[in-house]
Amino acid sequence: KAGVTQTPRYLIKTRGQQVTLSCSPISGHRSVSWYQQTPGQGLQFLFEYFSETQRNKGNFPGRFSGRQFSNSRSEMNVSTLELGDSALYLCASRINLGNTEAFFGQGTRLTVV
Amino acid sequence: GESVGLHLPTLSVQEGDNSIINCAYSNSASDYFIWYKQESGKGPQFIIDIRSNMDKRQGQRVTVLLNKTVKHLSLQIAATQPGDSAVYFCAEMEGGGFQKLVFGTGTRLLVSP
Repeated sequence: KAGVTQTPRYLIKTRGQQVTLSCSPISGHRSVSWYQQTPGQGLQFLFEYFSETQRNKGNFPGRFSGRQFSNSRSEMNVSTLELGDSALYLCASRINLGNTEAFFGQGTRLTVV
Repeated sequence: GESVGLHLPTLSVQEGDNSIINCAYSNSASDYFIWYKQESGKGPQFIIDIRSNMDKRQGQRVTVLLNKTVKHLSLQIAATQPGDSAVYFCAEMEGGGFQKLVFGTGTRLLVSP
C-alpha cells in the first residue's frame, strides 16, 4: 500500500510569489491535514479536509488556503510568499476524522528568498 | 487554549537505559493523547495513544501515562536503543465534531552507545 505522497519535495520561491503544494493520501483515507514545521514552532496545524470540505482550520492568515478533490487528493496554496513562510510543509492522512493515527508524508521543503 | 508543550527540548540517554519524555497539555476537553516519533528526514510516525478516561497504556517497549489532575502526559521507553533516537511529539485530539490533531513542539531523544 503506497504511503502519503507529497510533491514537490523541495521548492525555492521568491518573496511575493505564490506556491501550490500537492498531497496524495493513502488509498481509502478521506481526511487530509496540513502542517507547517519550523525549528522554533514545531508542528503548526494549518487545516484539515474531509470529503472535500474544510473541517478544521488553524491560526494562519488567509494567504494560506487549501482544497480537496473528490479522489481525496489535496493541494495547499500560499500566496504573496513571505520569508517567514520558509518551512517544511507536512501532509497527513487519516482514514476518518476521529482516528488518532495520522500517516505523514515526507514533506515539501519550501524556501522563500 | 490548545497549547501542548514539552518540558525538555533534548534528552540524552545511554543505550539500554529507560527514557521518560514528558509533556504538559492545557485542553481538558481532549479525548485522546498521542505520541509521535519523527526520525530525521521523515514525517512523524504514530507510536501510541491513550484515551482521556485511562491512566496508563502499554505498547511494545513503550508506556504512556496520563495524569489528568496536573494535565501531564509521559512516554516511557524501556531499554532505549540507538534506533529510538528521534524527535518525539505529544499531540492531543479534541472531542466533538472537530477532532483535529494538535501537536507540541517536540523533544529530541539522543541515545548514545
